[in-house]
Amino acid sequence: DIQMTQSPSLLSASVGDRVTLSCKASQNIYKYLNWYQQKLGEAPKLLIYYTNSLQTGIPSRFSGSGSGTDYTLTISSLQPEDVATYFCQQYNSWPLTFGSGTKLEIK
Amino acid sequence: EIQLQESGPGLVKPSQSLSLTCSVTGYTITSGYDWSWIRKFPGNKMEWMGYISYSGSTNYNPSLKSRISITRDTSKNQFFLQLNSVTTEDTATYYCARWGGGYYFDYWGQGVMVTVSS
Repeated sequence: DIQMTQSPSLLSASVGDRVTLSCKASQNIYKYLNWYQQKLGEAPKLLIYYTNSLQTGIPSRFSGSGSGTDYTLTISSLQPEDVATYFCQQYNSWPLTFGSGTKLEIK
Repeated sequence: EIQLQESGPGLVKPSQSLSLTCSVTGYTITSGYDWSWIRKFPGNKMEWMGYISYSGSTNYNPSLKSRISITRDTSKNQFFLQLNSVTTEDTATYYCARWGGGYYFDYWGQGVMVTVSS
């Protein structure tokens, strides 16, 4: 199975900050990488698919990048409503696997 | 609007079977896509458990292959999870989700918390 490692596990930042979340795969996943946002008590929501494609309806302050084993989710200007846990997920090979999340808080 | 909703018991005894239902509205599960079960453990680790495709074929996570079964009732537009011989390590929030176009989980249920305890 491909292991997905996210860092940091907890991130505290101020409103308006540029925030970067990392996800590292245990092997090359050829950009087959998605990002989800999960707010407390809610279902996960797809933010970004195939590394850098923004899902319909997601604000443009969210962006993704990366290749090979290293991937990044960036929020260009953190908003209060972005408080959530963010998960990466690879679909290069079965079984699909997820990272264990980065919890994002407002400082 | 496509909606998924999980239902089932919140408490299961060790060694028994866990059975959950996912009811889908706004889309017919035989029309396309793969219909998955995913769980999130305390501490946030998430695990894809398996899916049933629109045609009825299944694909399971090898870590669960001996204990898991995913079936469906097309007349009710529902699919089901059965996990046998549960232990306390199966305590988690269970989600159903649509695996859209081979690329992403685009629709999720709200999740149901299941505790395995005597």
